[in-house]
Amino acid sequence: SQTIHQWPATLVQPVGSPLSLECTVEGTSNPNLYWYRQAAGRGLQLLFYSVGIGQISSEVPQNLSASRPQDRQFILSSKKLLLSDSGFYLCAWSGGTSGYEQYFGPGTRLTVT
Amino acid sequence: GQSLEQPSEVTAVEGAIVQINCTYQTSGFYGLSWYQQHDGGAPTFLSYNALDGLEETGRFSSFLSRSDSYGYLLLQELQMKDSASYFCAVTRSNDYKLSFGAGTTVTVRA
Repeated sequence: SQTIHQWPATLVQPVGSPLSLECTVEGTSNPNLYWYRQAAGRGLQLLFYSVGIGQISSEVPQNLSASRPQDRQFILSSKKLLLSDSGFYLCAWSGGTSGYEQYFGPGTRLTVT
Repeated sequence: GQSLEQPSEVTAVEGAIVQINCTYQTSGFYGLSWYQQHDGGAPTFLSYNALDGLEETGRFSSFLSRSDSYGYLLLQELQMKDSASYFCAVTRSNDYKLSFGAGTTVTVRA
């Protein structure tokens, strides 16, 4: 069966510090991978998605970046965090050629102070 | 562009039926998905409609009318564990992405 891992679960970082969140998927090959951010009580905002190694599509201009160095690894990064980067970050994967059924990781709750 | 509208909150008692409506405006619409998210947890996939009509999965059913750009999620025989946020999301043709609505918080009371 497929599983998706995210770490860390919670993170408190000062403004201006760097960020690296990692997501890995097990039990499937060539997944479509996604990074979302969710503000408290709000919907999910798609940040990046990837359909293959080294292929990254950015949805929202911001100080975040994503990379996919391996087939089942997706990394979200920032060089300098802003207060507005606080939120719940979720990684997800889908299979095949459609993204309608996505499976989410447990998420990382980021607080920028 | 895309837009999805769903009610922000719904409250009902155990055993009742709740219908969460979702209207969308999406160019190249392909299908409508529904996700459930408990407080502090990750979203989980509930159902998907690409064709008009009703899809039933246990106590939950989802409906789509492409001509009306409208769908709904029907929760039957409500249980306390159904208290959660429910999101509708659209996919477009030849697209791997989901665009989510703002979510509907369902509160089930005893």
